[in-house]
Amino acid sequence: AQSVTQLDSQVPVFEEAPVELRCNYSSSVSVYLFWYVQYPNQGLQLLLKYLSGSTLVKGINGFEAEFNKSQTSFHLRKPSVHISDTAEYFCAVIYTGGFKTIFGAGTRLFVKA
Amino acid sequence: GAGVSQSPSNKVTEKGKDVELRCDPISGHTALYWYRQSLGQGLEFLIYFQGNSAPDKSGLPSDRFSAERTGGSVSTLTIQRTQQEDSAVYLCASSLNVRGISEETQYFGPGTRLLVL
Repeated sequence: AQSVTQLDSQVPVFEEAPVELRCNYSSSVSVYLFWYVQYPNQGLQLLLKYLSGSTLVKGINGFEAEFNKSQTSFHLRKPSVHISDTAEYFCAVIYTGGFKTIFGAGTRLFVKA
Repeated sequence: GAGVSQSPSNKVTEKGKDVELRCDPISGHTALYWYRQSLGQGLEFLIYFQGNSAPDKSGLPSDRFSAERTGGSVSTLTIQRTQQEDSAVYLCASSLNVRGISEETQYFGPGTRLLVL
């Protein structure tokens, strides 16, 4: 069955520290990959996406993610986080040729001063 | 320049009642998705509409759930004979998908928080 696994449900980190939020998906067939962010009391918005081409994708607010086909991973990184990055982050995958979007359970990033 | 809107924002209902949730997608977006977000869980895909094509209903959890999209725009998700386990936030998203493929960004509405007592 197709699935997306976000290995960490919560990630506490100090301000200005680097962070990596992990995401793995279940199949190595061709995929589109997304990271969405949900700030407190707000709706989901796209952070970045991988469709094809360069495996390193840059998104908004200084985030980037790297697609690793052999490891079926799409980890999200930021070299220095801010308090305002506190939010829930969702990894999502669409298998090309399909439309069903499969989301991970989310990772709550909590940035401490 | 309005985004995706959903109504009502909150709905409290009694077990066994029917509820209707509404989604107004961004004008011109051909694709529309419904998801369910339960407490502490990720988004669960429910149903997908693309233009005039038959919807992908593969995510609907039971036959109590149905959805329609009139005129390729507004969509209504109906839950019949609600159960307590239906309590969740129901999210709608739309995307451009002009080529009928799924690579486009989804724009999410604020959701409808449903509580079944």
